[in-house]
Amino acid sequence: AQTVTQSQPEMSVQEAETVTLSCTYDTSESDYYLFWYKQPPSRQMILVIRQEAYKQQNATENRFSVNFQKAAKSFSLKISDSQLGDAAMYFCAYRSPYSGGGADGLTFGKGTHLIIQP
Amino acid sequence: GAVVSQHPSWVICKSGTSVKIECRSLDFQATTMFWYRQFPKQSLMLMATSNEGSKATYEQGVEKDKFLINHASLTLSTLTVTSAHPEDSSFYICSAREPGTAIDNEQFFGPGTRLTVL
Repeated sequence: AQTVTQSQPEMSVQEAETVTLSCTYDTSESDYYLFWYKQPPSRQMILVIRQEAYKQQNATENRFSVNFQKAAKSFSLKISDSQLGDAAMYFCAYRSPYSGGGADGLTFGKGTHLIIQP
Repeated sequence: GAVVSQHPSWVICKSGTSVKIECRSLDFQATTMFWYRQFPKQSLMLMATSNEGSKATYEQGVEKDKFLINHASLTLSTLTVTSAHPEDSSFYICSAREPGTAIDNEQFFGPGTRLTVL
């Protein structure tokens, strides 16, 4: 079974600064998908960024980028120019490449609560 | 596009009664839907995976007779919590994906349903 670990229960950053959220995972699969989701107080899960394991290039979405280290099984999220609206819980998630039998459900880390200081 | 709705958003029921939660994909055909449970200030835990027209696949430790899942159409899955007890109080979130399409590797989440059992 796969596991996802987020070792930072809470992070705080000044507005406009950069913050990095950590995520490590454990799997025996060679191909898979990794995601970062944001959950604001409304509790709606919002996809921030995704990475396919077979792609060596790190994914980037505007102010959000990842540092994907496959050998180290690390998948950190960097938020540049932090904004007040970035304040939320951030969850790292893993998905197997296989379908069916529950294999393609997401395995989530425990989350990191991101606080933005004005 | 890719909108998932849930109904109701909040339900309060008495212990011993059953509660049905609906999950609908509004603008795509969701051949696979997932049900997650989230306790306060905790992560999301996959409960079960449902495929249209077939039996759901439950995760280990999830009572299938307690949490009945029906995925009778390509746009609707339902979760029924039978004989609910206070320990079933939680936030239930569904997600959906459409395998074999351009959005295959992404899950789209509903806004969640808060269940309180008195």
